[in-house]
Amino acid sequence: QVTLRESGPALVKVTQTLTLTCTFSGFSLSTSGMCVNWIRQPPGKALEWLARIDWDDEKYYNTSLKTRLTISKDTSKNQVVLTMINMDSVDTATYYCARFLRAYGSGTRYYYMDVWGKGTTVTVSS
Amino acid sequence: SYELTQPPSVSVSPGQTASITCSADKLGDDFVFWYQQKPGQSPVLVIYQDSRRPSGIPERFSGSNSGNTATLTISGTQVMDEADYYCQAWDTSTVLFGGGTKLTVL
Repeated sequence: QVTLRESGPALVKVTQTLTLTCTFSGFSLSTSGMCVNWIRQPPGKALEWLARIDWDDEKYYNTSLKTRLTISKDTSKNQVVLTMINMDSVDTATYYCARFLRAYGSGTRYYYMDVWGKGTTVTVSS
Repeated sequence: SYELTQPPSVSVSPGQTASITCSADKLGDDFVFWYQQKPGQSPVLVIYQDSRRPSGIPERFSGSNSGNTATLTISGTQVMDEADYYCQAWDTSTVLFGGGTKLTVL
């Protein structure tokens, strides 16, 4: 059974750095085709993709947030860490991690988020 | 990349068919995925690769994607289907979500 769990501070101050950890089980990030994404959702708003890390350590970022984000993995601990610098009140949101699973269809390779964590809520205060 | 446009809300009576659209230029050239999110819960994948259902998702959920529009269809909508629905597309370096559609069943 695949599970993911997000952890991190519930409250951070403006300008501080947020560090979130996604701890997962049921798969290995050293297996070809496995990836983990971070997604966030401000209260009452839509989902926003933040970053992704692949089994081969390739990393991808939301272009509008790229300068503030760093994603990394510790395969031995089954963890993915996301750091976001210079936090602001607009970053108040629930942060999710989700597995990105590789699949093939119509001769095309693609990925989809098949399992999500329950999310962790982060409030940014002044 | 592009933006995915969804209607903010859709209403349907129980037992009727609900259709939620997701639009973007040439969206039919890419695969589309749909997630259901109930209040206070994390999203759940209901459709992948345009029209495939994950294990455990009821048959009343179906999807299509052609031209500029992808559609999530819920046949025989049940009260338990009331939720927010998000479409998602993907390319090599970016994941895109639509703005979400609130489905009301009344």
